Amino acid sequence: QKEVEQNSGPLSVPEGAIASLNCTYSDRGSQSFFWYRQYSGKSPELIMFIYSNGDKEDGRFTAQLNKASQYVSLLIRDSQPSDSATYLCAVNMHLQGGSEKLVFGKGTKLTVNP
Amino acid sequence: NAGVMQNPRHLVRRRGQEARLRCSPMKGHSHVYWYRQLPEEGLKFMVYLQKENIIDESGMPKERFSAEFPKEGPSILRIQQVVRGDSAAYFCASSKTGPYLSYEQYFGPGTRLTVT
Repeated sequence: QKEVEQNSGPLSVPEGAIASLNCTYSDRGSQSFFWYRQYSGKSPELIMFIYSNGDKEDGRFTAQLNKASQYVSLLIRDSQPSDSATYLCAVNMHLQGGSEKLVFGKGTKLTVNP
Repeated sequence: NAGVMQNPRHLVRRRGQEARLRCSPMKGHSHVYWYRQLPEEGLKFMVYLQKENIIDESGMPKERFSAEFPKEGPSILRIQQVVRGDSAAYFCASSKTGPYLSYEQYFGPGTRLTVT
């Protein structure tokens, strides 16, 4: 069973702190990794994607990928109350027959306290 | 609006009726994916389509559910004889290239289906 695991939280951080969201995946052959943000009652919004080992920074967001450990994380610097949302990790998985599919974790709920 | 469009945004159906959900992909995108999300649960893949082709329907329930993406017009997810358990948010996503090259999927606003 191809899986993407996230700590469901809730993760609570004070405003201005660094929020660290983690994700592990089971398919060693995965090549593409995505972070989506989903506000309550809204649709998922793509905020970061990463394909290579290491760090990728975009504004206050940094995605970190370690393929050897099958681990991807999202750091949010200077957290703001507006960052309060559920963060979904998504990973492409290889299936039998050679096809691929994007598999989502269940998400980590982040609350940033003013 | 260059984003993924879905309609209706809210749909109420009585048990036994049919529900039709529509999705127009982002401009320049030719791949469409449908997901279902139950309250407080994660996204569940249902089906992946390209124009006139179903590529992967491994997440679709075997009965009552069908999907299409015709040459002209939006993709349609059809649920026949709805039951209360079908109540959920249904999201459509689109991508520019297929899953063999890139997975950047962009989501529409969703259709909230309520079965009474």
